[in-house]
Amino acid sequence: DQQVKQNSPSLSVQEGRISILNCDYTNSMFDYFLWYKKYPAEGPTFLISISSIKDKNEDGRFTVFLNKSAKHLSLHIVPSQPGDSAVYFCAASVRAGGTSYGKLTFGQGTILTVHP
Amino acid sequence: GAVVSQHPSRVICKSGTSVKIECRSLDFQATTMFWYRQFPKQSLMLMATSNEGSKATYEQGVEKDKFLINHASLTLSTLTVTSAHPEDSSFYICSARAPIHLTRLQETQYFGPGTRLLVL
Repeated sequence: DQQVKQNSPSLSVQEGRISILNCDYTNSMFDYFLWYKKYPAEGPTFLISISSIKDKNEDGRFTVFLNKSAKHLSLHIVPSQPGDSAVYFCAASVRAGGTSYGKLTFGQGTILTVHP
Repeated sequence: GAVVSQHPSRVICKSGTSVKIECRSLDFQATTMFWYRQFPKQSLMLMATSNEGSKATYEQGVEKDKFLINHASLTLSTLTVTSAHPEDSSFYICSARAPIHLTRLQETQYFGPGTRLLVL
């Protein structure tokens, strides 16, 4: 049962344009969402997060949007740079406490390629 | 920033041997660390949650007697793959929950660089 899904395995974007990475989830208990960037044979690097009480969080070139009713979040990168080329994972967690606190459930990842 | 290291980065072993992987938080204390496993072209799957001074909590389907986890200090957690077999070959990644003051108020986990295990 894949509770967090990234349905696009790959995305190709021209340098300077916007990259939009999408993520859907099924578990309504998730109340905190994160995006990570990962290079091959390395651990994920945290990019940005959003709590379920918000619908938008912005940090520099990265903006995450959350649509709770649709159980959908997206990561926007503007402007895209060749150095952004990597695998992007969305992750979800339950921050409300209990035994699930802090556990991350990851999507399958989307390979982003930004062409010069 | 918060740094998490893993050692070794790569290990090749014979079937039936045990392999220990170390995960260290270098500049912060982590009461909770997590161990993940990633198969090629797949997502990271949480194996267990490691709490300092107590027993680890394993995810469903993960054999606790095969994947021994010890979190003896606030900066070190170890994962031992006992009697490794070729199907245990994978990329193992640990993470540590970062203190909120290190993450600009965004709660997150910092990940180690991973350990590639190949069992022959």
